[in-house]
Formats: sequence, C-alpha cells, structure tokens
Amino acid sequence: SQQGEEDPQALSIQEGENATMNCSYKTSINNLQWYRQNSGRGLVHLILIRSNEREKHSGRLRVTLDTSKKSSSLLITASRAADTASYFCATDGNYGGATNKLIFGTGTLLAVQP
Amino acid sequence: KAGVTQTPRYLIKTRGQQVTLSCSPISGHRSVSWYQQTPGQGLQFLFEYFSETQRNKGNFPGRFSGRQFSNSRSEMNVSTLELGDSALYLCASSLAWGQETQYFGPGTRLLVL
Repeated sequence: SQQGEEDPQALSIQEGENATMNCSYKTSINNLQWYRQNSGRGLVHLILIRSNEREKHSGRLRVTLDTSKKSSSLLITASRAADTASYFCATDGNYGGATNKLIFGTGTLLAVQP
Repeated sequence: KAGVTQTPRYLIKTRGQQVTLSCSPISGHRSVSWYQQTPGQGLQFLFEYFSETQRNKGNFPGRFSGRQFSNSRSEMNVSTLELGDSALYLCASSLAWGQETQYFGPGTRLLVL
C-alpha cells in the first residue's frame, strides 16, 4: 500500500498563478522526493529534501518538510502550461539498510490553463 | 548521456501468456529498480537490483521475477498473465545502491486481454 497521500487530487489554475501541493506520509523518513509525470510517461525527478532540512528551492520550485507533522508541500511559482502534469511525492521509509526503494504518494494532477 | 531506455514501449498479451520487459540503465549506473503503475493502486515497488543481485522485493506474487546482467541491464518477467497485470511498468536507475535520486525510463505499457 502507498505511504503518501497527496492533496488536492486535482488542481486547475491559470498560467502565472502559483500551485501548491501537499503530501502526508506515515513513517519516519531519511528523505522525501518530488517527481513529475507527464501524461502516463516516465517520472522526472524534481527535488530531494532530507529529514534534517525544512525548506529547499530549485528554480521555480519550493519544497518544505515538517517531520513533526509528517508532511511536505511543493510550491510551483509563476506556473506555465508546460507544468501541466501529475506530481508525486516519494519517501524512502527510513529502512535500516541501504535501499533505493521509493514509496509513492497518490499524486496530484495539475492543469495549468493558458 | 542517454537516459534510461525501456523496450518494448507497448505490448499487448492475452491471459495466461508470459512477458519479458527490458531496461537499460544510464551508462555507469549500477542499480535498477522496477515499479508498476495502475490507476487503482498507483505506483508500487516491484524489486531492485544491484550488482546482479536482487536487494529488495515488493509485495507481488511469484509470477513477477527479474534479473540483472553484468552490464547492469535488467529484465523483468511476468508469467501466467492476468487481466490485473495491465499497467505501466517503469524502470529506474541510479549510480549505486542506497543512492537516493533515481532516473526513470519512459515505461512499458502492458495491456492484457
């Protein structure tokens, strides 16, 4: 079963507006990542935030992490039509040993209207 | 540098058949993971390989198997296909085992009739 729940399930905004997506997870983590998926294709890595970090920026992306609430948010500023995609959070589940296994959230479908 | 490649991109099979999917990681990457994506269950971890050894396996029946070759290429096999196996199968590679950032291929879309 999936660890993460994302909110909202779907979001429609106009170009130029900001988009905020939230992710909640269940167990402790080492890090949390955000991925983008265009129309049923492969996933593109956007950003990774470690459990000891609270905020991280990458271009128009801003990610926050609150480990006390087991939640993260992804903010996309000045959105563009090309940002239309599904966005997923993924955690590592804080396994005792090394692993590349990711546990994905349910995803948020973002539609940016031109 | 070329990205992760997966073949075939699309596949149609009938119930009871078996299928083999292939994944070539980014050059120099030694770890490969597989995921199944369906509308109902979302993205679920299948297994991961490093140095030709399966390091971790998800909660899937034994009909799902895989392997990794010495050149890091990986294959996954699904035997006795069921309608519920229809999904997008994604492969991801990373430099090493325990490396956090993974790079995904375009996926193989499997339809079981």
